[in-house]
Amino acid sequence: DQQVKQNSPSLSVQEGRISILNCDYTNSMFDYFLWYKKYPAEGPTFLISISSIKDKNEDGRFTVFLNKSAKHLSLHIVPSQPGDSAVYFCAASAESSGSARQLTFGSGTQLTVLP
Amino acid sequence: KAGVTQTPRYLIKTRGQQVTLSCSPISGHRSVSWYQQTPGQGLQFLFEYFSETQRNKGNFPGRFSGRQFSNSRSEMNVSTLELGDSALYLCASSLPWTSYNEQFFGPGTRLTVL
Repeated sequence: DQQVKQNSPSLSVQEGRISILNCDYTNSMFDYFLWYKKYPAEGPTFLISISSIKDKNEDGRFTVFLNKSAKHLSLHIVPSQPGDSAVYFCAASAESSGSARQLTFGSGTQLTVLP
Repeated sequence: KAGVTQTPRYLIKTRGQQVTLSCSPISGHRSVSWYQQTPGQGLQFLFEYFSETQRNKGNFPGRFSGRQFSNSRSEMNVSTLELGDSALYLCASSLPWTSYNEQFFGPGTRLTVL
């Protein structure tokens, strides 16, 4: 049972336009959400995160929105650049007493920004 | 500051063999997690180690095991390899007492089982 779902395996966007990547989750205990970007032959790189006490977090061209009632988060990239072409993973974690927070990842969305 | 390093980067094995992968975390990071990435499956959590103790374990068979050394370096071992074990194995490290698990990943080890 996938607790974190990225239903779009791929997305193509024109350079300069907005990219919107979506992520849904089922576990209501998740209270921290992260986005990672991954280039081929490299490990995922942390991009941006959001706590469940917020509904928006912005960092430069990247903004993450969280809708707790819908159990949905999205990553907006504005403006999109060709260098943003990568696989984007959504991840979520829940507090776990006496143990580390474990990240649960979605299956990823391949973003292609066309010049 | 050096990032997370993993060795080897590529490995080819045959069914039934065993393999050991190594991970050196970022200096000062004491938590090391391992993930398996296969096409269409995202990153599946294997286990997490902190101070030489396994704190968390994912839903993988007992053929997958790991350990952590006193210098925080970690190894994972897969015994009796199966074709389905072909994947990218990623190691991630994080600071010991952060409230949230922001993890830093290595480049991965690409394992191919023939």
